[in-house]
Amino acid sequence: EVQLVESGGGLAQPGGSLRLSCAASGFSFSSHWMHWVRQAPGKGLVWVSRINGAGASTIYADSVKGRFTISRDNAKNTVYLQMNSLRTEDTAVYFCVRGGVVTFDYWGQGSLVTVSS
Amino acid sequence: DIVMTQSPDSLAVSLGERATINCKSTQSVLYSSNNKNYLAWYQQKPGQPPKLLIYWASTRESGVPDRFSGSGSGTDFTLTITSLQAEDVAVYYCQQYYATPPTFGQGTKVEIK
Repeated sequence: EVQLVESGGGLAQPGGSLRLSCAASGFSFSSHWMHWVRQAPGKGLVWVSRINGAGASTIYADSVKGRFTISRDNAKNTVYLQMNSLRTEDTAVYFCVRGGVVTFDYWGQGSLVTVSS
Repeated sequence: DIVMTQSPDSLAVSLGERATINCKSTQSVLYSSNNKNYLAWYQQKPGQPPKLLIYWASTRESGVPDRFSGSGSGTDFTLTITSLQAEDVAVYYCQQYYATPPTFGQGTKVEIK
């Protein structure tokens, strides 16, 4: 069974940092691109970032470029999102998502990040 | 970026009746080399992550009931739920994966009338 379990969310001050982790199991982790998608409270879904299976290729939404860094450790079956220079508008539930053969096929339960002073 | 616009924003349907959700993209998501539409539909129930329902605009994900169907091509797509069930109450999102960044519609909330 595919499982994606996020951790690391919480409260951060504007300008602060947080690191999200996503532990994956139940599939060949290194064979899949991994994504982060976020959802502000009561709002829709917004793609944040993607990393390829080897970890050599990454891409970001313009809204987080230069502030967020996605990475992965295939030995630990874990993907990370380092979030720096946080803004209030980064407040959201962050979902770890598996890139399937076609598109986003499995989603974690999400981790809430709140940016507030 | 490709903008996805869904209509309506919400709808209320009686149990057993049909629900229809539309999705329009600002550019075609039909890839001519394979004649596939890079369009997916997701269902999100309260307090849960989204669940993939349909990809390639009309292919149901494994385990998705056949009352869910997708249609359309190019820039205009439809998700139809025939015979709405109580467990179908959710927000539905369309998403294009034709171009980076992948983008979602704003969501359509389906409720029971």
